[in-house]
Amino acid sequence: EPEVTQTPSHQVTQMGQEVILRCVPISNHLYFYWYRQILGQKVEFLVSFYNNEISEKSEIFDDQFSVERPDGSNFTLKIRSTKLEDSAMYFCASRRVAVSTDTQYFGPGTRLTVL
Amino acid sequence: DQQVKQNSPSLSVQEGRISILNCDYTNSMFDYFLWYKKYPAEGPTFLISISSIKDKNEDGRFTVFLNKSAKHLSLHIVPSQPGDSAVYFCAAGDFGNEKLTFGTGTRLTIIP
Repeated sequence: EPEVTQTPSHQVTQMGQEVILRCVPISNHLYFYWYRQILGQKVEFLVSFYNNEISEKSEIFDDQFSVERPDGSNFTLKIRSTKLEDSAMYFCASRRVAVSTDTQYFGPGTRLTVL
Repeated sequence: DQQVKQNSPSLSVQEGRISILNCDYTNSMFDYFLWYKKYPAEGPTFLISISSIKDKNEDGRFTVFLNKSAKHLSLHIVPSQPGDSAVYFCAAGDFGNEKLTFGTGTRLTIIP
């Protein structure tokens, strides 16, 4: 069964450093998402991406964040200058079409630890 | 911003019995609702969904009920099995936005 994959599974970085989290969505999916979950809190939407553009973003997704689909398979989330409060699990998701009957499928997540 | 609420942080159920997980929402713009199951160190796994035009959807042991007037949905698992032990998240979306709004989750423990 096709699945969303994410690398690395765990990333440790120093505050102020840049990190890139990588995702490979399901191959025939067209819509891509990043969510995060701070420890003990709910899963929160960050950004959605379609046709090489951001289609929606939350207020969390400020200028420090960017997303890119550099080739036909990868989807990346970059945090330019990490802060302590960026420590969280980051989940990538994808779906084939943006209709209500279609589901967002999630990857296993990347645990980001900012020291 | 508590648009989707799961008021029970945990629930314990005997194996073989029914598990009922509840979710309330406040945003009447939500058009569809989903339940995800999550094991530690894994991503949310889709379980079942329901559109706002329905009041029930069934898939094997899992049934989701939607009461729009009460802005309430529930997930029933019958019979409960040890492998069902996980955190269950309720999520909601609307046609105008692509994001899902999640509840805080309920940790279900099935007691053998």
